[in-house]
Amino acid sequence: DTGVSQDPRHKITKRGQNVTFRCDPISEHNRLYWYRQTLGQGPEFLTYFQNEAQLEKSRLLSDRFSAERPKGSFSTLEIQRTEQGDSAMYLCASSSLGTYGYTFGSGTRLTVV
Amino acid sequence: GENVGLHLPTLSVQEGDNSIINCAYSNSASDYFIWYKQESGKGPQFIIDIRSNMDKRQGQRVTVLLNKTVKHLSLQIAATQPGDSAVYFCAETGEGSARQLTFGSGTQLTVLP
Repeated sequence: DTGVSQDPRHKITKRGQNVTFRCDPISEHNRLYWYRQTLGQGPEFLTYFQNEAQLEKSRLLSDRFSAERPKGSFSTLEIQRTEQGDSAMYLCASSSLGTYGYTFGSGTRLTVV
Repeated sequence: GENVGLHLPTLSVQEGDNSIINCAYSNSASDYFIWYKQESGKGPQFIIDIRSNMDKRQGQRVTVLLNKTVKHLSLQIAATQPGDSAVYFCAETGEGSARQLTFGSGTQLTVLP
């Protein structure tokens, strides 16, 4: 399977704990995106990488959130001091420069209790 | 209010009938539009796309219509099947290096036997 992989699929954490999610994009894709989706809503853009450079961040990405893509391949999204409002599906997507289409992963569903 | 998005618009159709799902987009500068299908617990799946220099595009059993004058997009599904039951989102993107997607509110399509 050469799709976008996300790990874990589900994460339940206590409020105040830190969590980290991983995304493995399609290997030849140099663009990588993180989106957040809450129940009943469409996904909302969080951040964008071109290769290893984080080029754009949404205002939704508070200082408790950090994303990395150290070698331009996989990416991690860390949330520190989680809050109940962070409960959502976190989606990763990838694409190639010069193309328009995205491929989304299946997401990581985070529940903060 | 903030909870409006929790109640998705719904569309119920009989198996074999045609479905039409509508979407209003917001940014007149958007130049590329995509329809995604999202099944429960999964990430959005690409269905069909259209560029702003077109007003119609056809795929297998699906057609997308774009009316830039009124900023309206529609997805037509021919001979709707039970496997088409899902939430459908339109998304738009415009100029800018990130080309992040802005998603509309979804529509829950239910195919009745």
